[in-house]
Amino acid sequence: QSALTQPASVSGSPGQSITISCTGTSSDVGSYNLVSWYQQHSDKAPKLIIYEVTKRPSGVSNRFSGSKSDNTASLTISGLQAEDEADYFCYSFAGTSYVFGTGTKVTVL
Amino acid sequence: EVQLVESGGGLVQPGGSLRLSCAASGFTFSDFWMKWVRQTPEKGLEWVSNISEDGSQKYHVDSVMGRFTASRDNARNSLYLQMNSLRVEDTAVYYCAISSFHAITFWGQGTPVTVSS
Repeated sequence: QSALTQPASVSGSPGQSITISCTGTSSDVGSYNLVSWYQQHSDKAPKLIIYEVTKRPSGVSNRFSGSKSDNTASLTISGLQAEDEADYFCYSFAGTSYVFGTGTKVTVL
Repeated sequence: EVQLVESGGGLVQPGGSLRLSCAASGFTFSDFWMKWVRQTPEKGLEWVSNISEDGSQKYHVDSVMGRFTASRDNARNSLYLQMNSLRVEDTAVYYCAISSFHAITFWGQGTPVTVSS
């Protein structure tokens, strides 16, 4: 099972919106609405921010939103803030296994 | 407060064994599937295993099949990962995690495993 493809880095200015893509295949992202997204600050454990493509856990800012089209899922961060600077990973169910994305470093300029 | 505390990591020679433990608290452990996930700077995050609420169903990534086995003791609120025939490429930080909706709803802080001679 190959890792899902994410851009290595994305940057934006405070207040802007950015979108991170997560490209898989018809065996994972394309077949299931079971993509989740995680935020990881330096030397911390990851934190769930989106599950089942579009749902936000309680306590997660509504500035984070998810979507999916065919084999590509996307995470949009609106109103970018300094605290959003972190690594972001996607994750998808793939039948009897799971696969992570390659990770994207978000920089707030 | 939900807590997952991993232990048992360390330095081991290639071919050796380690048993990771994860102590869970703050939630009803026996109600949840649990996972092990590992992370390296070079390869990023990798799902390692899943185990069902009662331990009867287990799934492992192909690269550890036959070498690693997840297990749990619901009476002790504990999750385990028995790792045998360790390889250099198993070097990683290993996280214990709670699974819901096929997502990882909570992560432990991780325990480092280094496989080196």
